[in-house]
This record gives sequence, C-alpha cells and structure tokens, in this order.
Amino acid sequence: DAGVIQSPRHEVTEMGQEVTLRCKPISGHNSLFWYRQTMMRGLELLIYFNNNVPIDDSGMPEDRFSAKMPNASFSTLKIQPSEPRDSAVYFCASSLETFQGPYEQYFGPGTRLTVT
Amino acid sequence: RKEVEQDPGPFNVPEGATVAFNCTYSNSASQSFFWYRQDCRKEPKLLMSVYSSGNEDGRFTAQLNRASQYISLLIRDSKLSDSATYLCVVYRDDKIIFGKGTRLHILP
Repeated sequence: DAGVIQSPRHEVTEMGQEVTLRCKPISGHNSLFWYRQTMMRGLELLIYFNNNVPIDDSGMPEDRFSAKMPNASFSTLKIQPSEPRDSAVYFCASSLETFQGPYEQYFGPGTRLTVT
Repeated sequence: RKEVEQDPGPFNVPEGATVAFNCTYSNSASQSFFWYRQDCRKEPKLLMSVYSSGNEDGRFTAQLNRASQYISLLIRDSKLSDSATYLCVVYRDDKIIFGKGTRLHILP
C-alpha cells in the first residue's frame, strides 16, 4: 500500500502568494486530518473530515485557510494569501473510524512550507 | 491550563535503562488515548493505544489513570533507536488533541 501521499514535499513562496497543499489518503480510509506543526505550537489539528464532510474545523487559523475534500481520495488545503507566520510543516493523516471509535492515524510525510 | 500537557524534556537516558514519562489531560470526558512516536523531521507514527487496564507491547508499557487524569509510557531496556519524541494523543467527542511531545535521547 502506498500510504498517505502529500505534495509538494517542500514549498517556498513569497508572502501574499496562494499556496495549495494536496493529500491522497489511504484507500478505504474514511477520515482525513490536516495538521500543522511548528516548534512553538507543536502539532495542531486544523480540520478533520469524515466521509468527505468537515466535522471539526475549529483549528483553522483564519479565513485565509480553506480545505476541501471533493472525494474520498483527494483533499486540498489552501492558504491565500500566505504570510511568513504560516511557515510550518503541514501533515495530512487518514484513518478508518467506526462506531467503536478512532483507530490509528497514518500520517503522510508532510509538506514543509516556507513563506518569505 | 492546556488540555493535554507533557514534559518537553529532553530526557537523557543511558542505553539499557528504564524511562517513564507521563501525559496529563484536563477534561475528564476524554475517551481514547494513544502514544505516537515522531523521529526528527519525520511524520508521527502510532506506538500504541492506551487501554483502561493498561497494556504492554514488548519493552513498552502504557497505563491510564482516570482518577488522576494522566497516561504514562514506560520503556524498559532502552535502545539507541528509542531516541525520538513521544506524543500523547487524547480523543474527546470529535476533538483530537496532541500533546507537544517529550523528547527522549538514549545515550550510548
């Protein structure tokens, strides 16, 4: 199995530009998570989808951030316009969740974003 | 008070020693608990779930203390390859909260 696939792996952009991060979850998983990790704040959950529907987006920093999951095999996280404080590693994770509760989350390799 | 707290460390431990660290959570309604491991510049990976009765996986033992609202991770006979950051994860309803992690360095 290919695991969770994220692209790009590295992104360097200038302040004010639009950034789009992409994620392909593991086939058969019904939940998808976007996280942001920095030294100062640790790993923060940004948004969580279940069966392609956003369940919890309370972690999305502000209106500059948006996430979509048009189908079970693809999700995007968009930042527009980007700011230097958005520099972080962004992880996508997927899992299979049932009525019995959450199971293991499988993380992608992350996208290292630098906004100058 | 943060909902999930961990001692950031680092814990510097000689190879072969036993090390333990805790993770406290503030909401008594928390339902599920996990330990993840993250190597430097890598993604987190599940180490083990934490069951109410406690559970063991080889050299690793996880325990849950609901009365005092903490989970613990014990590593016996530590190996150099155990050097990593250990993240605790707490689920409550649809909320998923990661601790900031405890850094562990195993010294040769």
